[in-house]
Amino acid sequence: DQQVKQNSPSLSVQEGRISILNCDYTNSMFDYFLWYKKYPAEGPTFLISISSIKDKNEDGRFTVFLNKSAKHLSLHIVPSQPGDSAVYFCAASSGTYKYIFGTGTRLKVLA
Amino acid sequence: AAGVIQSPRHLIKEKRETATLKCYPIPRHDTVYWYQQGPGQDPQFLISFYEKMQSDKGSIPDRFSAQQFSDYHSELNMSSLELGDSALYFCASSQGTSGGWITDTQYFGPGTRLTVL
Repeated sequence: DQQVKQNSPSLSVQEGRISILNCDYTNSMFDYFLWYKKYPAEGPTFLISISSIKDKNEDGRFTVFLNKSAKHLSLHIVPSQPGDSAVYFCAASSGTYKYIFGTGTRLKVLA
Repeated sequence: AAGVIQSPRHLIKEKRETATLKCYPIPRHDTVYWYQQGPGQDPQFLISFYEKMQSDKGSIPDRFSAQQFSDYHSELNMSSLELGDSALYFCASSQGTSGGWITDTQYFGPGTRLTVL
C-alpha cells in the first residue's frame, strides 16, 4: 500500500518555465512533508519542507504548496533551470520518526 | 516494537577530537541511513548502507566515514571535529525492499546530539 504517491514518473519543462511536481498521500496523520532532490550517482539532497499547519512554504525559486483536504502537495520551481534536472522525491512523516517516500519524479529541464 | 537505537544520546567533544556514533537498526532491517540535522534545519542526508555495502552517499565530509557491520549495525566516525559539526545525527533503518533505495520506508532513531566545543 503506497501511502505516498508521485504519479508522474517523469516531467519535461522548458528552461525558464515553471516546473510543478506533484505528490499525493493517503494517511491524514502525516504532519510534515519534505522534498529531496537526487542527481545520478549522488545521494539525496534536502530541498524544502512544510509542516501541516502551513499551506505554503517558499525558499528562493522553490515553493511547496500543501492542500490538506485533498491530501496533496506540490513543488513549484520558478524559473526552471537545466541544473534542476534531477529526480525529486517527496516524503511524509507523522511525527513518529518515520519517513515514507514517494517513488520519485524525474525532471528534465530543456535548454 | 523494537525501534532504532542510537548511542550515545549525547556527546560532547572538543575541536579536532574524534567521535564515533553507533546505530542499531530495527531487527531484520538491512539498510541504514545517516542524517545530520543542524539547529533549525531539516535532516541532510549523509550516507546509507544496504547489506553492509555503501548504497548512497550525500553531503558527508571527507573527515567522516561510516560502515555497516555483519550484524547490520552501523558506525559513523567523525575525525578532526569542527564547531560546525555540532548537530543532531539521526540514523534510520529500513527493510531495503527496493535494494536500499531512499524510497524504502525509513524508521528513525532518537538521534545523537553532538556538541563540539
